[in-house]
Amino acid sequence: DQQVKQNSPSLSVQEGRISILNCDYTNSMFDYFLWYKKYPAEGPTFLISISSIKDKNEDGRFTVFLNKSAKHLSLHIVPSQPGDSAVYFCAADDTGTYKYIFGTGTRLKVLA
Amino acid sequence: NAGVTQTPKFRVLKTGQSMTLLCAQDMNHEYMYWYRQDPGMGLRLIHYSVGEGTTAKGEVPDGYNVSRLKKQNFLLGLESAAPSQTSVYFCASTTGRAGNQPQHFGDGTRLSIL
Repeated sequence: DQQVKQNSPSLSVQEGRISILNCDYTNSMFDYFLWYKKYPAEGPTFLISISSIKDKNEDGRFTVFLNKSAKHLSLHIVPSQPGDSAVYFCAADDTGTYKYIFGTGTRLKVLA
Repeated sequence: NAGVTQTPKFRVLKTGQSMTLLCAQDMNHEYMYWYRQDPGMGLRLIHYSVGEGTTAKGEVPDGYNVSRLKKQNFLLGLESAAPSQTSVYFCASTTGRAGNQPQHFGDGTRLSIL
């Protein structure tokens, strides 16, 4: 039973265009959602987060949108750069526990 | 700042051998976690700790044991390695319970069981 789902294993985008990575969840009690970026042979690094009481959070080229009614969030990267090529994980804070639940990841490739 | 350091980075074991993976963090974080990453499976939680001397089971704890004798260290043990435990293992730590406290990850240990 996967509570956090990333249904697109991979995505290719041209440099300068928008990248949109999607994430769906099933538990409406999640408090926070986080995005991590992972390069090969490195650990994931935190990118951006959003509280469940907000519908948008922006940090430079990265914006996360949350649609609670649809239990869906998305990460927008504008403009996309070749250095953004990585695996992106969506994660949710499992309220009432000390755990984070991760999606399976989406591999983004930004083409120069 | 070293952040989260995992030792070793690579290891090859034979079935039935035992080993311990070490995770050390220098950020004075209370919470520490061990994950494994397998193709198409994302990051799955093995065990975690909410403070020195505490441990708890995660999603896939079977075949693993952990200890947190010191706040800065979190050890993951494989008592009798099996090929199904071939994976990349990540350790993470975080400062607090609040959901927007991101986890800090080490660079992983790539473990192969033959």
